[in-house]
Amino acid sequence: GQNIDQPTEMTATEGAIVQINCTYQTSGFNGLFWYQQHAGEAPTFLSYNVLDGLEEKGRFSSFLSRSKGYSYLLLKELQMKDSASYLCAVRDRSGGSYIPTFGRGTSLIVHP
Amino acid sequence: EAQVTQNPRYLITVTGKKLTVTCSQNMNHEYMSWYRQDPGLGLRQIYYSMNVEVTDKGDVPEGYKVSRKEKRNFPLILESPSPNQTSLYFCASVAGVTGELFFGEGSRLTVL
Repeated sequence: GQNIDQPTEMTATEGAIVQINCTYQTSGFNGLFWYQQHAGEAPTFLSYNVLDGLEEKGRFSSFLSRSKGYSYLLLKELQMKDSASYLCAVRDRSGGSYIPTFGRGTSLIVHP
Repeated sequence: EAQVTQNPRYLITVTGKKLTVTCSQNMNHEYMSWYRQDPGLGLRQIYYSMNVEVTDKGDVPEGYKVSRKEKRNFPLILESPSPNQTSLYFCASVAGVTGELFFGEGSRLTVL
């Protein structure tokens, strides 16, 4: 299986930039996902990386380095509504399942 | 509209009283999955299904059953619920190309 590690909690200021890191160990890497989850709601898809490099989508970007087992989610121009949990999930083809495994999530608090 | 529908959204029950949480998707996805989410533990996979009549255990299957008689439905069955199954449950279906998960709105279950 996978061992996925991300910080438990982070705080940042409105308008700033924050980087949420995720490290993983897997024998058959087959893609990394980031999801956003507001309290009491379902997770929603943010990004998908399967090749090394940076994927940019508006204020959010996601980076992957397969050789280092490392990804980060970069949030720019933070807004109060960005306060949420951010979930890193990794798919491993060696397990036979097409479905990713989730880390424990990073709770981001954005303050004025 | 593409969606995953879970019912009930909220349920309070007592120990030992069998219950079923239904899940239905309208996207013709082959893969579906059930998760439970507990504070500090993140999303943990209970069972998943790769297609009709094909199911397999996730990380925390004890105390749960599933069935997949038709592609669109993937119910979660608690034969004899116990208080440690008090949790927030999410059903998800998986897009075939990217592996993106589409989540239901969640079912908050309390077992007294």
